[in-house]
Amino acid sequence: GIQVEQSPPDLILQEGANSTLRCNFSDSVNNLQWFHQNPWGQLINLFYIPSGTKQNGRLSATTVATERYSLLYISSSQTTDSGVYFCAVEGEDSNYQLIWGAGTKLIIKP
Amino acid sequence: DGGITQSPKYLFRKEGQNVTLSCEQNLNHDAMYWYRQDPGQGLRLIYYSQIVNDFQKGDIAEGYSVSREKKESFPLTVTSAQKNPTAFYLCASSRSSGILAKNIQYFGAGTRLSVL
Repeated sequence: GIQVEQSPPDLILQEGANSTLRCNFSDSVNNLQWFHQNPWGQLINLFYIPSGTKQNGRLSATTVATERYSLLYISSSQTTDSGVYFCAVEGEDSNYQLIWGAGTKLIIKP
Repeated sequence: DGGITQSPKYLFRKEGQNVTLSCEQNLNHDAMYWYRQDPGQGLRLIYYSQIVNDFQKGDIAEGYSVSREKKESFPLTVTSAQKNPTAFYLCASSRSSGILAKNIQYFGAGTRLSVL
């Protein structure tokens, strides 16, 4: 089945810094989503982005489907950005199931 | 407010006991999902349902059971056959999981299950 790899596994930054999180996937996808899980476990959908570029405030994402990767950019980090960022994909043969990466744990220090 | 409600937040299971986790949504979504998350890991799919009275096994269905008698409800039972049930359980829903639909999933706040 499709494999999803996220990097880096951990990232520690000072408030105000910018960061780039990467998601590589092993096969063509119909669906790619980025999620943020806060320290209490709540998962929030950030982007639905099987291809192209989207922006939402300080966050933006780009998926290059032909090269099988997606990037999540966080600019001017705030302490509330801390948590785990997950990439999840739905392959063309995944029968509507999302396959999840292991996540990038981001800590923003004040 | 529209959303997904999971209860309870914390649950303790004794040896040999079955326990049921509740998931209710008022988003009028067709599809619902149950995931398991172990510490430091991503999510793994237990069961999903695309329509009332129908559901399919995910990657780790053994030791779990579900029902989908109503569109808004998708309870998960952790049976005594699940030997390592301690985990964080997340319920999600999406408008549709059809091939032309955007399978954008929204999540409840989760249930933390521990074994006594």
